[in-house]
Amino acid sequence: QVQLVESGGGVVQPGRSLRLSCAASGFTFSAYDMHWVRQAPGKGLGWVALVSYDGSRKYYADSVKGRFTISRDNSKNTLYLQMNSLTTDDTALFYCAKDIVGPTAAWGQGTLVTVSS
Amino acid sequence: QSALTQPASVSGSPGQSITISCTGTSSDVGGYNYVSWYQQHPGKAPKLMICEVSNRPSGVSDRFSGSKSGNTASLTISGLQAEDEADYYCSSYTSSSTYVFGTGTKVTVL
Repeated sequence: QVQLVESGGGVVQPGRSLRLSCAASGFTFSAYDMHWVRQAPGKGLGWVALVSYDGSRKYYADSVKGRFTISRDNSKNTLYLQMNSLTTDDTALFYCAKDIVGPTAAWGQGTLVTVSS
Repeated sequence: QSALTQPASVSGSPGQSITISCTGTSSDVGGYNYVSWYQQHPGKAPKLMICEVSNRPSGVSDRFSGSKSGNTASLTISGLQAEDEADYYCSSYTSSSTYVFGTGTKVTVL
C-alpha cells in the first residue's frame, strides 16, 4: 500500500536551516506531483509547495517563497524540503502528500518542526 | 493566496444532515473542478473524503457528498454519526498553479 514517511524535523533556532525528507513507497513515485503541507499547532492546514512528477516545475506559497526549496530524487523515491531562514511562524507539523485534490490522495504522518531560541 | 473561507463550526444531532461551505474566488474554487474535502481527527493525518468536487474515493461512506455552485463548494454529511465529529478542510487548485486550503470547520455531533 501507499506509504509516505517524513523525517528530518526537530528543534532549530530562528534564522537556521533544516532539510526534511519524505520516503515514498507502494506507488510509482516518478509519475506523481508531490506536495508539502504544514499545520501549525492548533491551526489549520497550509499548502507549502509542489514539485512536478519530473522535478521540472516547482511552485511555492508566498509565505515561503525565496526561503524554502522543494526537490525530489526519483531514483531514491524521496521528496525533500530545504528550509532556510526559519522563523517562529514556521513552527508546524509538516506533511508530505501526493495528489491532494485527486482520487489517489495520500498523506504521511508528518514531521514536527519547532523554531525556537 | 488567501485561505478559502469556511464556517468555524457546524453542529448537528445524530441522524441529521449538515452542510459545510467553502467560499473562494473565480481563480480557485470557481475556476476549476479540482476541489477536495478532508476529514481530520485530533492527532491524525487528514483523510480524503471528496475529490474533484463531488467524487467519493473508494471506501468513503456514501453519507458524504460534495457539490459546487459558482465560487462556493459544499460538503454535506447525511445521517450524522458520532464518528463524524472532526475538523473538515476544503482544498482547491488555483490559477497560479498553486493550491489553497480552507480555514477549517469543526463539526460537533450533539
